[in-house]
Amino acid sequence: SQTIHQWPATLVQPVGSPLSLECTVEGTSNPNLYWYRQAAGRGLQLLFYSVGIGQISSEVPQNLSASRPQDRQFILSSKKLLLSDSGFYLCAWSVTLADNEQFFGPGTRLTVL
Amino acid sequence: GQQLNQSPQSMFIQEGEDVSMNCTSSSIFNTWLWYKQDPGEGPVLLIALYKAGELTSNGRLTAQFGITRKDSFLNISASIPSDVGIYFCAGQSYAGGTSYGKLTFGQGTILTVHP
Repeated sequence: SQTIHQWPATLVQPVGSPLSLECTVEGTSNPNLYWYRQAAGRGLQLLFYSVGIGQISSEVPQNLSASRPQDRQFILSSKKLLLSDSGFYLCAWSVTLADNEQFFGPGTRLTVL
Repeated sequence: GQQLNQSPQSMFIQEGEDVSMNCTSSSIFNTWLWYKQDPGEGPVLLIALYKAGELTSNGRLTAQFGITRKDSFLNISASIPSDVGIYFCAGQSYAGGTSYGKLTFGQGTILTVHP
């Protein structure tokens, strides 16, 4: 069966510090991968999605970047965090092309102080 | 971009009551999904709908894909305390190319169940 992991579960970072969040998927190959941000427990905003290694599409202008160094690894990064980057970050995967169902990881709670 | 209007925003009900929530859009969707999110966790897929008019059940949950393809509803029968959480609808409208697989989410319905 497929599983999706996110690390770390929680993170408190000062403004201006770098960020690296990791997402890994097991039990599937060539998944579509997604990064979402959820503010205040409501509304999921799609940040990035990837259909393959090294292929990243950005949905909204922002202070963040994403990379996919391996087939089942998706990383969310920032060089300098802003207060507004605080939120709940969710990674999700779906079967490439043929499946619209997305399955979410447990999330990372980021607090920028 | 596409937007989904989900209502109600919150519900406070007694255990045993039935619950109904819905999502509407000005755009046509090819797929409707319903998720539940517990506090501090990622959303869990409850039901997926792929055809206009489709009615699908998952235990006490029933969801329907509207005939116009612009709306969907979710019903929960005989609610229990563990039904507490945030319920999200999500729609997908395939326009070809890179839009494939991207979902538009509603703002969520917060459900509180009193024992």
